[in-house]
Amino acid sequence: GENVEQHPSTLSVQEGDSAVIKCTYSDSASNYFPWYKQELGKRPQLIIDIRSNVGEKKDQRIAVTLNKTAKHFSLHITETQPEDSAVYFCAATTNGDSNYQLIWGAGTKLIIKP
Amino acid sequence: DAGVTQSPTHLIKTRGQQVTLRCSPISGHKSVSWYQQVLGQGPQFIFQYYEKEERGRGNFPDRFSARQFPNYSSELNVNALLLGDSALYLCASSLAGGLMNTEAFFGQGTRLTVV
Repeated sequence: GENVEQHPSTLSVQEGDSAVIKCTYSDSASNYFPWYKQELGKRPQLIIDIRSNVGEKKDQRIAVTLNKTAKHFSLHITETQPEDSAVYFCAATTNGDSNYQLIWGAGTKLIIKP
Repeated sequence: DAGVTQSPTHLIKTRGQQVTLRCSPISGHKSVSWYQQVLGQGPQFIFQYYEKEERGRGNFPDRFSARQFPNYSSELNVNALLLGDSALYLCASSLAGGLMNTEAFFGQGTRLTVV
């Protein structure tokens, strides 16, 4: 089955700098890769996702890149702000008509230092 | 417009007891998935239901069971509770069964503590 590894487990960056979180997956059949942000005590919220037919996707300060050959994908946050502090999870799954089994990484705690 | 609602929000049970967690998906959503999130870890997939049928099951023991009702709400049952079942239980709803241009929306979760 699918296995997702996420690094680093904790990332501390200065406000205004960029943050990069990396994930690798094992199942070459996986074709959907969402990123979730979870603030303390709150539910995970989708911030960006990418499908395997796309190499890069950007939404304002957030971007995701996907390397299918190497089976890894990354989240990039530019111009970080205090409200970006949270735990970020990557996930992977195969896109099927009846499949909604997301396999999640262990999470990255992002700390934005003022 | 209500999002995904879960009840109760917090629950304390003793070992060996049984618990039922409830989830109401967003109106019009037909798929409900359940995840277990242990503190400091990513969510682990437990079940997916679509159109009242089980469509996926994660690597959890038979003590865990679920069902989906005609109104698409869902219940997760856990029997013979163990200390290790203490976790945040998340419910996610989506419009369709798969991920064909649909997003999963999560409820706020039920925090289960087993003592």
